[in-house]
Amino acid sequence: GEQVEQRPPHLSVREGDSAIIICTYTDSATAYFSWYKQEAGAGLQLLMSVLSNVDRKEEQGLTVLLNKKDKRLSLNLTAAHPGDSAVYFCAVSVANTNKVVFGTGTRLQVLP
Amino acid sequence: DAGVTQTPRHEVAEKGQTIILKCEPVSGHNDLFWYRQTKIQGLELLSYFRSKSLMEDGGAFKDRFKAEMLNSSFSTLKIQPTEPKDSAVYLCASSLTGEDTQYFGPGTRLLVL
Repeated sequence: GEQVEQRPPHLSVREGDSAIIICTYTDSATAYFSWYKQEAGAGLQLLMSVLSNVDRKEEQGLTVLLNKKDKRLSLNLTAAHPGDSAVYFCAVSVANTNKVVFGTGTRLQVLP
Repeated sequence: DAGVTQTPRHEVAEKGQTIILKCEPVSGHNDLFWYRQTKIQGLELLSYFRSKSLMEDGGAFKDRFKAEMLNSSFSTLKIQPTEPKDSAVYLCASSLTGEDTQYFGPGTRLLVL
């Protein structure tokens, strides 16, 4: 079955710096990719989703890159601020299966 | 529109008790998921319903975990009897059939003593 690895598990950056989180997956049939943010004591909040035919998507200071050849998905917070401090999860799924596999999470700390 | 709601937000139980967690999906969503989240195991799928029918019951969790969807707008997860290793955050999520994006509730933090 699909295996997803996420790194780094912990990331600490200064305010204004960029933060990059990477997930790699194994199933070439994976068709749907999402990033979620989880703040303390809350559920997972969807940040952005892309289909497999998209290589790059930017929204509100976030950039998602998809490299299908290397089976790598990344999330780049271009100018992090303290409010971005949270745990971030990638999630991938094969088309029409409704089976979502989550990464193990990255705890991001943005220092003022 | 209301998102996914879960109650209670926190639950403390003694070993051997029965607890029931509740979830209301986003209105109009036909798919509903229950997950358990722990630091060690991450997110584990417990149950998956489509149009109130149980599609997946999470194998290893069958014996003491039972999820039900009595109507399209309400689901419960019963743990009976509880064990200390059940201490975790239980997340409910819903999605539109045919769409992969899942919307999560705030979770129920369970502590079993």
